[in-house]
Amino acid sequence: EPEVTQTPSHQVTQMGQEVILRCVPISNHLYFYWYRQILGQKVEFLVSFYNNEISEKSEIFDDQFSVERPDGSNFTLKIRSTKLEDSAMYFCASSEAGAPRTGPQHFGDGTRLSIL
Amino acid sequence: QKEVEQNSGPLSVPEGAIASLNCTYSDRVSQSFFWYRQYSGKSPELIMSIYSNGDKEDGRFTAQLNKASQYVSLLIRDSQPSDSATYLCAVQINYGQNFVFGPGTRLSVLP
Repeated sequence: EPEVTQTPSHQVTQMGQEVILRCVPISNHLYFYWYRQILGQKVEFLVSFYNNEISEKSEIFDDQFSVERPDGSNFTLKIRSTKLEDSAMYFCASSEAGAPRTGPQHFGDGTRLSIL
Repeated sequence: QKEVEQNSGPLSVPEGAIASLNCTYSDRVSQSFFWYRQYSGKSPELIMSIYSNGDKEDGRFTAQLNKASQYVSLLIRDSQPSDSATYLCAVQINYGQNFVFGPGTRLSVLP
């Protein structure tokens, strides 16, 4: 069964450094998402991406965040200057473009980001 | 502010019993509703989707949707210890949009 893959599974970074989290969505999916989950808290939306552009973003997704689809398979989340409060599990998800609705979102295993 | 509410639990049921999980949402125009299961330290795993009022059954799971009451529920029949996890309710308002997740209900199935 096709799945969303994320790398790395765990990233440890010094505060102020840049990190790039990588995702390979399911191949026939057209909608891509990033969510985060701080330990013990709920899953929070960051950004959605469709047709090579951001379609929606939350208040969390400020200027230090960016997303990119550099080729036909990868979808990346970059955090430019990490803060302690960026420590969380980051999930990538994708869904297909169905009719009359998009399909369920399928989640990758996540990247645990630890900021020191 | 779009809100999805769930009882945080823990909800404890004996093995073989029915577990009932509830979710309410604030945005009346929401169109799509999902239940995910999340084991500790793992990613959300899709259990069921429901889009129309009424019941939808899949194996031991039944999702129920009442749009007038802005309420969606999940019943788990013949609960097993392996069902012990946090159950997340997710709501999508429009086509292609993000999901709004509830805080999750922690379910414990006791052998």
